[in-house]
Amino acid sequence: DAKTTQPTSMDCAEGRAANLPCNHSTISGNEYVYWYRQIHSQGPQYIIHGLKNNETNEMASLIITEDRKSSTLILPHATLRDTAVYYCIVQGSGTYKYIFGTGTRLKVLA
Amino acid sequence: NAGVTQTPKFRILKIGQSMTLQCAQDMNHNYMYWYRQDPGMGLKLIYYSVGAGITDKGEVPNGYNVSRSTTEDFPLRLELAAPSQTSVYFCASSYSTGLFMGPQHFGDGTRLSIL
Repeated sequence: DAKTTQPTSMDCAEGRAANLPCNHSTISGNEYVYWYRQIHSQGPQYIIHGLKNNETNEMASLIITEDRKSSTLILPHATLRDTAVYYCIVQGSGTYKYIFGTGTRLKVLA
Repeated sequence: NAGVTQTPKFRILKIGQSMTLQCAQDMNHNYMYWYRQDPGMGLKLIYYSVGAGITDKGEVPNGYNVSRSTTEDFPLRLELAAPSQTSVYFCASSYSTGLFMGPQHFGDGTRLSIL
């Protein structure tokens, strides 16, 4: 299964874009990149996913490098409610299981 | 549409007791999962199911059992509770076909303490 590497923590000023990086250098060609976030002790919340192309939805944008070895989640205008732990996950090759790392703890500052 | 519902939300057990954590989803998802999350850590997969009657082990299955008799329900059983099983338990579901796994939808969790 492809593993991911994320910074332990990041700060972002309210109203600014938050850019959260993720390395997944061993990703296979048919594996998707998923992003989730967990606010306080709630259940993780799905944000976005992608395979090769950049993706955008109402919550965020996902930028995947051409070689697919890394990606960046972009929250265009971070608010205090975006303070959470963000998990980058690569779907296990040939399986239907996620491998959660420890994620990036994003703190949005007023 | 309630999504994924977990009961109970909190529970305290004594060592050696048993209990069942309930999980139900109303989205007609074929896949269901149980995770545990220890303080400051990411989620670890305990068991998962790809459909009614089919279950498989995840990363940390020891001390737990599951069954999946219906599409909607996926209970997790602790037979002999141990302090190491103190954790927050999350149930999730997703719809998947072939190699594509749809996003997982999580419940609010069950906070379990073993004393």
